[in-house]
Amino acid sequence: DAGVIQSPRHEVTEMGQEVTLRCKPISGHDYLFWYRQTMMRGLELLIYFNNNVPIDDSGMPEDRFSAKMPNASFSTLKIQPSEPRDSAVYFCASSLGRDRGGNQPQHFGDGTRLSIL
Amino acid sequence: AQTVTQSQPEMSVQEAETVTLSCTYDTSESDYYLFWYKQPPSRQMILVIRQEAYKQQNATENRFSVNFQKAAKSFSLKISDSQLGDAAMYFCAYRSEADSWGKLQFGAGTQVVVTP
Repeated sequence: DAGVIQSPRHEVTEMGQEVTLRCKPISGHDYLFWYRQTMMRGLELLIYFNNNVPIDDSGMPEDRFSAKMPNASFSTLKIQPSEPRDSAVYFCASSLGRDRGGNQPQHFGDGTRLSIL
Repeated sequence: AQTVTQSQPEMSVQEAETVTLSCTYDTSESDYYLFWYKQPPSRQMILVIRQEAYKQQNATENRFSVNFQKAAKSFSLKISDSQLGDAAMYFCAYRSEADSWGKLQFGAGTQVVVTP
């Protein structure tokens, strides 16, 4: 079974550039999540979708961050313009919905390590 | 809002020994789910074990077991017969059964070091 697929695995870019992170969730999963992980703040939920609709984006730090899910098999997280403090590991995760059982776990991708110079 | 606290930044254990990681959470809800995730140096997030709050029986997955104390709001993870491959950061996570069902609230993590 293919897991959650994220690309790129690493991204190094200069401040001010646009960054796009991509995620393909597990087929059939209803929920998709974007997280950011840093040493200082740990794992933070940025936004999550249910059936391609954004449910809660209260974790998105600034207007520079945006996320889309145009279909059930693809999502993007975009940062424009990027800043050095955006450097972190960004994870995408997906899960089945509550109707399949409330204990459904989230399955994580391998993450994108983003470095903004 | 719920908070998850892991009070041990790092725990060290010898191979074949047992280590217990603590996790406490703050909630006013009665229905919820708890999870332990493992993050090795490869940075993958791997589900270790999960527990439903309505179940009194503690979950077990091979060498991993939990001690779920609902009244105390405690959810500790025990790793028995520790192996070198268990070295990782371990995160405790909480999920509500309410409207915000999808969201996981993570603790800060505990680094497990396994020595030969």
